Amino acid sequence: QVTLRESGPALVKPTQTLTLTCDFSGFSFSTRGMCVSWIRHPPGKALEWLALIDWDDDKYYSTSLKTRLTISKDTSKDQVVLTMTNMDPVDTATYYCARSQWVGDELDYWGRGTLVTVSS
Amino acid sequence: EIVLTQSPGTLSLSPGERVTLSCRASQSVSSNYLAWYQLKPGQAPRLLIYGASRRATDIPDRFSGSGSATDFSLTITRLEPEDFAVYYCQHFDTSSYTFGQGTKLEI
Repeated sequence: QVTLRESGPALVKPTQTLTLTCDFSGFSFSTRGMCVSWIRHPPGKALEWLALIDWDDDKYYSTSLKTRLTISKDTSKDQVVLTMTNMDPVDTATYYCARSQWVGDELDYWGRGTLVTVSS
Repeated sequence: EIVLTQSPGTLSLSPGERVTLSCRASQSVSSNYLAWYQLKPGQAPRLLIYGASRRATDIPDRFSGSGSATDFSLTITRLEPEDFAVYYCQHFDTSSYTFGQGTKLEI
């Protein structure tokens, strides 16, 4: 059974760096093709894809946010970490991690998300 | 960059009705990379359709997807109470995932 769970701070201050962790089970980065993405959902707005890391440690970023994002993985812990620098109130959103089986494939399993509020 | 435009933004319907949601791409896209998702508050988003027309695992057959090139649709026959949610189409192209702005189904 594939599961993903996001964790991180519920509240961050403007200009701070956000660090989110995705713990997953039921699949492994040792399987060729496996990928984990981060997606966010600001309240009242659309889903926005942020970043992806694949089994081979290749990384892909949203064009508009790439200067602020870093994605990494710890294969031994079955974890993916996303950092986003210089947080702003407009970054307030529910942040999700999701799996795909190849780059570009559909996001077939998602976590329940973690709400991050940016406020002083 | 490809833009996905979903219509309508909000639909008010009743259980038992049939509905078709639209997703239009700003340029022709590969059907292989067109997916639909369902979002409900407090729940993990759920993949419904991938490859434009293939139902994901455990998705009821009242959900169907169709379309090609720039025009895609998601049809739900016989709406159930649990189907009232927000639906997003999504595409992958040039190393990036793109989502539409969503369609909200409300009772």
